[in-house]
Amino acid sequence: AQSVTQPDIHITVSEGASLELRCNYSYGATPYLFWYVQSPGQGLQLLLKYFSGDTLVQGIKGFEAEFKRSQSSFNLRKPSVHWSDAAEYFCAVGAREYGNKLVFGAGTILRVKS
Amino acid sequence: GAVVSQHPSWVICKSGTSVKIECRSLDFQATTMFWYRQFPKQSLMLMATSNEGSKATYEQGVEKDKFLINHASLTLSTLTVTSAHPEDSSFYICSARDRTGPDTQYFGPGTRLTVL
Repeated sequence: AQSVTQPDIHITVSEGASLELRCNYSYGATPYLFWYVQSPGQGLQLLLKYFSGDTLVQGIKGFEAEFKRSQSSFNLRKPSVHWSDAAEYFCAVGAREYGNKLVFGAGTILRVKS
Repeated sequence: GAVVSQHPSWVICKSGTSVKIECRSLDFQATTMFWYRQFPKQSLMLMATSNEGSKATYEQGVEKDKFLINHASLTLSTLTVTSAHPEDSSFYICSARDRTGPDTQYFGPGTRLTVL
């Protein structure tokens, strides 16, 4: 069965520090990979996506993610976190073979301390 | 581009009434839309896949007679919660799949439903 694991429920980083949010997946098909961000009471905003090609993808707001097939991972990174980055981050996986339905991880809540 | 709207953003209703939530893709056509439900402090759970001009496909455990989905045009899908009860209170989020490029789902801002 398809599954997505975000092992960290909460992460707290200092403003200006680097950030890495982990995502591992288990999928029986060639995956499409996404990172979304959700502010409280809001919908999800797409940060970046990977379909094929270069395994390091750049997204909005200075975020990037690297697809590592050997580790079944798609970790999200940002070199310097801003207070406005505080939100919940969701990793999601889909595949054409599964009708492009997305399976979401449990989410990681990012807190930024000044 | 790729903007999805939902209406209403929040609604409070009495138990036993029906509530309709609209999901619109504003600047692209979406042959497929998805409806999700999110409980507090939890992830999104897919309820159903809405295909333009055909019946929706419901996930296991989702009552299709309870959650009626209509996708009458390439830019509009509606979710109607029929005979709502307090346990239906939740945050409902739709997404629309943009097929003009690599398949990507763009999400609406969500609808907070509270059933009294």
